[in-house]
Order: sequence, then C-alpha cells, then structure tokens
Amino acid sequence: DTEVTQTPKHLVMGMTNKKSLKCEQHMGHRAMYWYKQKAKKPPELMFVYSYEKLSINESVPSRFSPECPNSSLLNLHLHALQPEDSALYLCASSLGSLSGNTIYFGEGSWLTVV
Amino acid sequence: SQQGEEDPQALSIQEGENATMNCSYKTSINNLQWYRQNSGRGLVHLILIRSNEREKHSGRLRVTLDTSKKSSSLLITASRAADTASYFCATDARDYGQNFVFGPGTRLSVLP
Repeated sequence: DTEVTQTPKHLVMGMTNKKSLKCEQHMGHRAMYWYKQKAKKPPELMFVYSYEKLSINESVPSRFSPECPNSSLLNLHLHALQPEDSALYLCASSLGSLSGNTIYFGEGSWLTVV
Repeated sequence: SQQGEEDPQALSIQEGENATMNCSYKTSINNLQWYRQNSGRGLVHLILIRSNEREKHSGRLRVTLDTSKKSSSLLITASRAADTASYFCATDARDYGQNFVFGPGTRLSVLP
C-alpha cells in the first residue's frame, strides 16, 4: 500500500478563517513533507518532518503552521491567509529523510482563499 | 534556487512516437528522480537513478544520467495518449541533504 491520503480535496476559505489540511500515511514512513504548487509551476518545499520533528522550514510565513501528531499524521493549520496562498498543497512521505528514498505524494488539497 | 531545469518546457507528439525530455542541474547530487503529474493531480514517482548509475529502464521508460554534464534525460518509447502529463525531475542535492528540489517540468501532449 503506497498511499498518502489528503483531506479535504478542495477547500475554500476566507482570509479571516482558520482551517486545517490533513495528511495520513500507513507505510511506516518516518519523513513527511508539505509542498505548495501554483498552476503550471513545480512543487515548492514548505516543511519537512523527520521522526515527528520539524527538520526543515523553508522560510514559510507563520500563517502556515505544520503539526505532526504522530508518525502517520501530518497537519497544516491555516490562519489569516492571503488570496495569493491559493494553490495545490501536496503532502508526501518517504521511508526516511536520507538521500535515496523515494518520496510518495498524495493527490493534494486544492485551496482557494477568497 | 532552482536546481533542476527541464527542456523542453512543452512537447507535443503523435501517439506511437518517442518522447525525450531533458533535465539539467547545477550542484552535485546524490540521486535524481523523475515524476509524472496529471493535470491537477498528485505526483507519481517514475524512476530513481543514483549518482553512480548511468542508465535505468522501467517498462517504456529509459532514464540516463550524465554527472559530468549535470544532466539527465527521460525517454518514453511508443507513447500513448495516457502519457499526456507534466514530467518533473527532482534532485536530492548533496549539499542540501534532504531538501528535494523540482525542476520547472515538461508538459507532454500525446495526440491520438
């Protein structure tokens, strides 16, 4: 089972709302990732968790707050977003965070900020 | 900074033809991976090639890596309409550790 599940698939939120994106994997992977992808652009790394600890934050604004409650779950809490934050948010996981591990992606959550 | 850069950015071919996409990168890498993304969907892993490998095959896919030129190519043989997608290379740069960087991608259209 090589599956990363993301919910919701689509989310529309106002600039004053608080919402969360959720990601789950049951492959025993110990590294989990959040990527942001704008239309016709490549995914851009936001955060990396390794063994449930945040190991990389690519200078992401604080209105995005990641959380890794356990090794299978990864959340992205959203608050006071801007319309330019509208994008496809991709969750991914890999066996470990070391080089050579294949990264498996979920289908993504389409976020629209109005 | 952008690590991988695909060439061409868009490619349109007829079904049955071969499609070749190239990827160039700037720094030393541990490995390079190719992904496919159908419109609006998640990325599907195609193949991983390590820095000490020169060529790998998987079904209709053939990937080459030339570390001296810092480039890789993805060849899809006997293309099908279902191969229509965006293809990205991603590098695991040696100096960046686990920072996995994608190139801009090639949008492939296979016409029936």
